[in-house]
Amino acid sequence: DVKVTQSSRYLVKRTGEKVFLECVQDMDHENMFWYRQDPGLGLRLIYFSYDVKMKEKGDIPEGYSVSREKKERFSLILESASTNQTSMYLCASSTGSEETQYFGPGTRLLVL
Amino acid sequence: GENVEQHPSTLSVQEGDSAVIKCTYSDSASNYFPWYKQELGKRPQLIIDIRSNVGEKKDQRIAVTLNKTAKHFSLHITETQPEDSAVYFCAASKWGGNDMRFGAGTRLTVKP
Repeated sequence: DVKVTQSSRYLVKRTGEKVFLECVQDMDHENMFWYRQDPGLGLRLIYFSYDVKMKEKGDIPEGYSVSREKKERFSLILESASTNQTSMYLCASSTGSEETQYFGPGTRLLVL
Repeated sequence: GENVEQHPSTLSVQEGDSAVIKCTYSDSASNYFPWYKQELGKRPQLIIDIRSNVGEKKDQRIAVTLNKTAKHFSLHITETQPEDSAVYFCAASKWGGNDMRFGAGTRLTVKP
């Protein structure tokens, strides 16, 4: 079974704080993704990575950055959290040869 | 890039009835169309997928149909049960899946 884990289920931060969201997968997947999920907007892609140290912007990268120093770990960074970044953040991974994405349990972030 | 629209946003059916969720996509080069189910408080999980070389695929009470000409695909759930209640997401991508885009989701409620 593919296991994708995220460092926190719930997180409360203050405006202006630097926030790190961590995602780890144990299936040696090449691709990793960060989405945010908001009611009525579905899953919107923030960033993805297809290899270590490689990253590509998704549809809503503004205000976010990512880091992939090891194949199994993909971090989402909010350099200076703002209230409009309050959301559910989902990480996913997939192999390089199959499209199926496996999701983590999500991190619900509240920025006050 | 790809744009996926999904309808309806909410759907309520009686137990035992059928449910149909429809999606349209914009990129004619897309060739992979998965459906994910997200139960309350849980991660999205793949329930069925279809590729562009197939018009229909069935798995027990769930089926997906694809019309490449019209660029739309649909999820059909027959003999609905309360445990089918969830949010369903459609998605579309080209080979490899790095460009996968999701619809906004449909909240299905099955009333006993």
